[in-house]
Amino acid sequence: GAVVSQHPSWVICKSGTSVKIECRSLDFQATTMFWYRQFPKQSLMLMATSNEGSKATYEQGVEKDKFLINHASLTLSTLTVTSAHPEDSSFYICSARDLDALGEKLFFGSGTQLSVL
Amino acid sequence: KQEVTQIPAALSVPEGENLVLNCSFTDSAIYNLQWFRQDPGKGLTSLLLIQSSQREQTSGRLNASLDKSSGRSTLYIAASQPGDSATYLCAVRESYNTDKLIFGTGTRLQVFP
Repeated sequence: GAVVSQHPSWVICKSGTSVKIECRSLDFQATTMFWYRQFPKQSLMLMATSNEGSKATYEQGVEKDKFLINHASLTLSTLTVTSAHPEDSSFYICSARDLDALGEKLFFGSGTQLSVL
Repeated sequence: KQEVTQIPAALSVPEGENLVLNCSFTDSAIYNLQWFRQDPGKGLTSLLLIQSSQREQTSGRLNASLDKSSGRSTLYIAASQPGDSATYLCAVRESYNTDKLIFGTGTRLQVFP
């Protein structure tokens, strides 16, 4: 089946540094990818929709200048947390839709646990 | 604003039991509802997707029902096994025009031998 690869699985960084998370669709092309965030004991919340070749669409309350999204190819989207701070510590997970699959097929990456010291 | 709630937050049962996980949503105008499984260190796996016009979907030992009017969905797991231990999430998609999924907080299930 379709696989979405997300790296890194976990990252610890110092406050003020930037962190890049990659999301790759391994065996299908994804014109659209999604980035979610999950704080402890809260539900997954959509941060932004990443569109190949165009600007990402951000959900209300998500700072686009802080969470930079690049979707330069049909198989790769990246999320960069710029100048990370402890409040950005969270679980980040991406998903991608396989348009060629019958029905609606959403595949998720394994997630990235970000800890900002 | 759509809100999705899952009860219970955690559940521990012996192997072989049949169990029911509950999901409720505040706005009945949904496009579809999905149940996912999340294993530690792994991504989400879609288990069942129910379109708004459907009442239930079945896959193996899993059966999901949807009652839009009451804003409820249940995931029934028959003859539970230790391998079913995971966090189960339900998520609604509000309309065809949006790709956004609104997730519940999940039910953490442990099935012990």
